[in-house]
Amino acid sequence: ETGVTQSPTHLIKTRGQQVTLRCSSQSGHNTVSWYQQALGQGPQFIFQYYREEENGRGNFPPRFSGLQFPNYSSELNVNALELDDSALYLCASSSQYEQYFGPGTRLTVT
Amino acid sequence: GIQVEQSPPDLILQEGANSTLRCNFSDSVNNLQWFHQNPWGQLINLFYIPSGTKQNGRLSATTVATERYSLLYISSSQTTDSGVYFCAPLSGGSYIPTFGRGTSLIVHP
Repeated sequence: ETGVTQSPTHLIKTRGQQVTLRCSSQSGHNTVSWYQQALGQGPQFIFQYYREEENGRGNFPPRFSGLQFPNYSSELNVNALELDDSALYLCASSSQYEQYFGPGTRLTVT
Repeated sequence: GIQVEQSPPDLILQEGANSTLRCNFSDSVNNLQWFHQNPWGQLINLFYIPSGTKQNGRLSATTVATERYSLLYISSSQTTDSGVYFCAPLSGGSYIPTFGRGTSLIVHP
């Protein structure tokens, strides 16, 4: 186990709704990254937070937003859900280069 | 950004067989990780290997950064090795890895 936890495990939402996913980083790690993994694809980088500041963003629209808290846990928020947002959402924590992943949240948008 | 190609895309083995998975990348890298994604979606760290060779049990990995490739060797494969293997290099000064599309491995008993 990596020590990175995510909640919830599974989630079903309706198109147009909003969702918040949560991630607790491994002890000692100050950086959290979020990824979206569609079926049959590799994880795609959404954004990264370092010490509560956004430290990089992938090619995702502004309706994907995030936060990092003083204890380095993090949230991913997605507004105006679309069917294509259905995916496995992974968070990873790191202290330098090596990333450790949580078990993921499987989001289904109907 | 850096391009990552993994081969083969799919691999089917009998238990006990050996295999080599390849990862080619388009730019110089300062770090590279190999992961195994199990059938439940969990990404498990296998190796953190910017260069050289590392071994962990039946698995070993080699990265030749100057030639822009990394190899993952699986010996005496077991059914529990089934899943998808990803390589994820980091280029330049980035702390953000880029994932390939993975190699899907099925090991039959």
